[in-house]
Amino acid sequence: RKEVEQDPGPFNVPEGATVAFNCTYSNSASQSFFWYRQDCRKEPKLLMSVYSSGNEDGRFTAQLNRASQYISLLIRDSKLSDSATYLCVVNLETDRGSTLGRLYFGRGTQLTVWP
Amino acid sequence: ETGVTQTPRHLVMGMTNKKSLKCEQHLGHNAMYWYKQSAKKPLELMFVYSLEERVENNSVPSRFSPECPNSSHLFLHLHTLQPEDSALYLCASSQDWRTSNSGFEQYFGPGTRLTVT
Repeated sequence: RKEVEQDPGPFNVPEGATVAFNCTYSNSASQSFFWYRQDCRKEPKLLMSVYSSGNEDGRFTAQLNRASQYISLLIRDSKLSDSATYLCVVNLETDRGSTLGRLYFGRGTQLTVWP
Repeated sequence: ETGVTQTPRHLVMGMTNKKSLKCEQHLGHNAMYWYKQSAKKPLELMFVYSLEERVENNSVPSRFSPECPNSSHLFLHLHTLQPEDSALYLCASSQDWRTSNSGFEQYFGPGTRLTVT
């Protein structure tokens, strides 16, 4: 079973649309959650951390549901520049009992915003 | 723009060559990572160094040999690679998870695109 699962898409939406990505994780001991964005042939860049209470950064809203082991990212008023692959990322506690900075990456969800 | 730099950006090498990838971070972090990204696969963690000590090696073949001389520099030495090792190799850095109270988001370098012929 994959640690982090995402719908690969692709999502093709017009400018101005609202689009939502979902992600599930398998290990209930997961402690930290992030969304990264990766442009074609570039490195992943941190988009936002995801907090238990949910958080918003401009047009981007992230939600965490620990009971369902589910993370979401909502993008409002999509821009052409939002076209990228969005990676759901989860930190897992090691079996040694100490939190390790190990991140598990989903395969990513591809988004294309068209004019 | 990025506090993590990698050289070279592109590398083509034969299976009998020896080469090294270099990573440098200017963020004051004390943990560094090597990842491999192959087409249509999630990022795969290869090595983790924290405070210059190797913390984790995810069963990476011995033809990949990391070196972390200090908290700002990380190398990946390559020898006798296989064509299936062709991929994007990404370096990342973060605060050490044992000492950071503010989280340990990882910041990536631009990567080295490696082709093994």
